[in-house]
Amino acid sequence: SQQGEEDPQALSIQEGENATMNCSYKTSINNLQWYRQNSGRGLVHLILIRSNEREKHSGRLRVTLDTSKKSSSLLITASRAADTASYFCATDSLNTGNQFYFGTGTSLTVIP
Amino acid sequence: GAGVSQSPSNKVTEKGKDVELRCDPISGHTALYWYRQRLGQGLEFLIYFQGNSAPDKSGLPSDRFSAERTGESVSTLTIQRTQQEDSAVYLCASTRFGGSTDTQYFGPGTRLTVL
Repeated sequence: SQQGEEDPQALSIQEGENATMNCSYKTSINNLQWYRQNSGRGLVHLILIRSNEREKHSGRLRVTLDTSKKSSSLLITASRAADTASYFCATDSLNTGNQFYFGTGTSLTVIP
Repeated sequence: GAGVSQSPSNKVTEKGKDVELRCDPISGHTALYWYRQRLGQGLEFLIYFQGNSAPDKSGLPSDRFSAERTGESVSTLTIQRTQQEDSAVYLCASTRFGGSTDTQYFGPGTRLTVL
């Protein structure tokens, strides 16, 4: 299975601290996306990184991609209580373009 | 439209009954995905529609599951003879073109509970 694995499964930090979440996957990809899910809601797209990119920034978000290690990280700087959510990585596959493979998610709690 | 909508938001049914879940994608979006999310788990791909092409049904877990979409409009996911293991949140997402660089816009999901 291509399904990604996020690490850690759960993370609890104080407001203002940085949060780092990691994602590993199994087969070669074209793109990797990160999504956020608030409790009981659908997912919201955060950022996309292509396989030929190594790092992208969007506001307080920084994403890295290491295709040799088949891994990605999401860094949220200066965390806020409103960042409390589950975060998922989603990959496509060079072999099956239609499907997106979502990881199991990291549950982030930011304590005010 | 304003966003992807799904109905019902919650569905409780008895084992063995059929259920139908509805997804209204964003107007103009050509691609539509259905996913299943079990409690505390990631998303499991079920089926993908792209325009008038044949759907990718490779994620459907059994022949009790089926889905339809007419053109680029509403989609329905039908689960026949529901089982307790079908209990999950069913999420629908649409994208403008269907490529892997496209942003998926998710609906709020339908929470299905099979008693």
